[in-house]
Amino acid sequence: DVKVTQSSRYLVKRTGEKVFLECVQDMDHENMFWYRQDPGLGLRLIYFSYDVKMKEKGDIPEGYSVSREKKERFSLILESASTNQTSMYLCASSFPGGAWDTQYFGPGTRLTVL
Amino acid sequence: DQQVKQNSPSLSVQEGRISILNCDYTNSMFDYFLWYKKYPAEGPTFLISISSIKDKNEDGRFTVFLNKSAKHLSLHIVPSQPGDSAVYFCAANINTGNQFYFGTGTSLTVIP
Repeated sequence: DVKVTQSSRYLVKRTGEKVFLECVQDMDHENMFWYRQDPGLGLRLIYFSYDVKMKEKGDIPEGYSVSREKKERFSLILESASTNQTSMYLCASSFPGGAWDTQYFGPGTRLTVL
Repeated sequence: DQQVKQNSPSLSVQEGRISILNCDYTNSMFDYFLWYKKYPAEGPTFLISISSIKDKNEDGRFTVFLNKSAKHLSLHIVPSQPGDSAVYFCAANINTGNQFYFGTGTSLTVIP
């Protein structure tokens, strides 16, 4: 059974703080993804990684960075948190190519920036 | 620009009736489509998929229909159950690509 875990379910941070969101998957997937989910906007891709130390910008990378030092772990970093980054953050993983397969999601981290 | 669109943000259906959720896409290169279900405070879970070589795929109470000429897919749930109440996302992918493109979601409420 595929498992994607995220370090926190709920997180409250202050404006200007550096925030780390961690994601770990146990299926040896090459691809890992970070999304944010906001009402009326669906899932928007922030960054994805198709291999260790490789990353690609998604649709909304501004204000975020990522790190992939090990295959199973993909971190999302908010360099200086702002209130408009209050959101649900979802990590996912999949095999390469994407086709004929699915993304597996973690439970999400609800981040509130005060 | 949103390449996958779900134009109905919400849908209410009586228990036992059919639920039909719709999704439109603009990129003719998409060749694989998926539906995900999401409960509050949980991550999306995969529900059903269809490749572009098919026009229908069925799994129990869930059927996905694909109309390539109209760039439209739909999810049918028959019969609908209260436990089906959730947000449903459609997603699309290109065979050679890594990225999935998601719609904005439709919140389904099944009324007992």
